[in-house]
Amino acid sequence: QVQLQESGPGLVKPSQTLSLTCTVSGGSISSGSYYWSWIRQPAGKGLEWIGRIYTSGSTNYNPSLKSRVTISVDTSKNQFSLKLSSVTAADTAVYYCARLQADRFDPWGQGTLVTVSS
Amino acid sequence: SYVLTQPPSVSVAPGQTARITCGGNNIGSKSVHWYQQKPGQAPVLVVYDDSDRPSGIPERFSGSNSGNTATLTISRVEAGDEADYYCQVWDSSSDQGVFGGGTKLTVL
Repeated sequence: QVQLQESGPGLVKPSQTLSLTCTVSGGSISSGSYYWSWIRQPAGKGLEWIGRIYTSGSTNYNPSLKSRVTISVDTSKNQFSLKLSSVTAADTAVYYCARLQADRFDPWGQGTLVTVSS
Repeated sequence: SYVLTQPPSVSVAPGQTARITCGGNNIGSKSVHWYQQKPGQAPVLVVYDDSDRPSGIPERFSGSNSGNTATLTISRVEAGDEADYYCQVWDSSSDQGVFGGGTKLTVL
């Protein structure tokens, strides 16, 4: 079955750009009518949807983050990526990637903690 | 934007039935999905499209959705059900995913 794995730096300095990659295994990122999404969760808090991308490159973003977020896809590597610019301590969170099947998220990656600190 | 409201916590004794609500304006017109998240783990889909279960999810987990409230029901609650539960919908008017604030289920 499809599995997702996040990777990227665990520590980012304030004002810099957070960059994460999600690698999809067990199936092609291009097969089926799926979107691919990023979701984050600050420690002790709830889930926040960041955005989604289709393999055509079509994207939608959370309006609260839209000015700072870019999601891209590399079908040749079976990966999609997140870039979040001008980060602050408020962006410290566990970041998850997930497949968006119809309008539900399944499966999810295990998550990766990103800390914004100097 | 669309808002989903969940109670912060629900407590239930083992063997009893837990009901976790998710409120939203005319939520009955949307498909509601529920996730279970145990400490240190990623969320897992336990109910989708209001009341369907993914393979591998026990029949004890069920859902309903009508009017302004969706409900996740866990029958014959076990200690292993203790977790945070999140409801989620897709807001087609703004084309974005929306999560409820989460409910911590405590098994007494």
